[in-house]
Amino acid sequence: QQPVQSPQAVILREGEDAVINCSSSKALYSVHWYRQKHGEAPVFLMILLKGGEQKGHEKISASFNEKKQQSSLYLTASQLSYSGTYFCGTEILESGSARQLTFGSGTQLTVLP
Amino acid sequence: NAGVTQTPKFQVLKTGQSMTLQCAQDMNHNSMYWYRQDPGMGLRLIYYSASEGTTDKGEVPNGYNVSRLNKREFSLRLESAAPSQTSVYFCASNFDRDTIQPQHFGDGTRLSIL
Repeated sequence: QQPVQSPQAVILREGEDAVINCSSSKALYSVHWYRQKHGEAPVFLMILLKGGEQKGHEKISASFNEKKQQSSLYLTASQLSYSGTYFCGTEILESGSARQLTFGSGTQLTVLP
Repeated sequence: NAGVTQTPKFQVLKTGQSMTLQCAQDMNHNSMYWYRQDPGMGLRLIYYSASEGTTDKGEVPNGYNVSRLNKREFSLRLESAAPSQTSVYFCASNFDRDTIQPQHFGDGTRLSIL
């Protein structure tokens, strides 16, 4: 089951903040966040675990709400280098299922000067 | 550091032709993955190899075969290419699939099938 990301796209001015959400209809074990610039490979940002705390990477942080089966990625004081497409990958809790990541369709973030 | 290397970077095929996409990693990772990325669809898992000598189907395996040649190399084969297989293909690896590990991606192979 593909996780749902919102919004699909967001445009910011440098220095503004943004929040990207990733929701699943199934119980999650972990959520992985990646950023991909146009024509390049996805680059790992962080992993959120069930029962884990909020994580941070530069001015980018994320949280995991187990009750809502949702993760949110927070970008504060955005920089031009933050532009790209952000993907969440989710790992579900399901007995007998093989562990694998299912990725959302992505959120395209554009930071303008 | 090379990381994950994919070849070729670009390829154009005619319908019905066959082709093998190559992937090699130099990080001593146990697990390797093949994804395809289509516009608006995110990354979809085709096949993965949890360790040398094992392979398993992912979400969209039809029309593909894989070979885990050794610990470093994991190839993806299209036996009879179809236009629906036009996509960007990414190979990824991580140390151990049974623990929580980030995946490291190659630069991708852009494949067009006419």
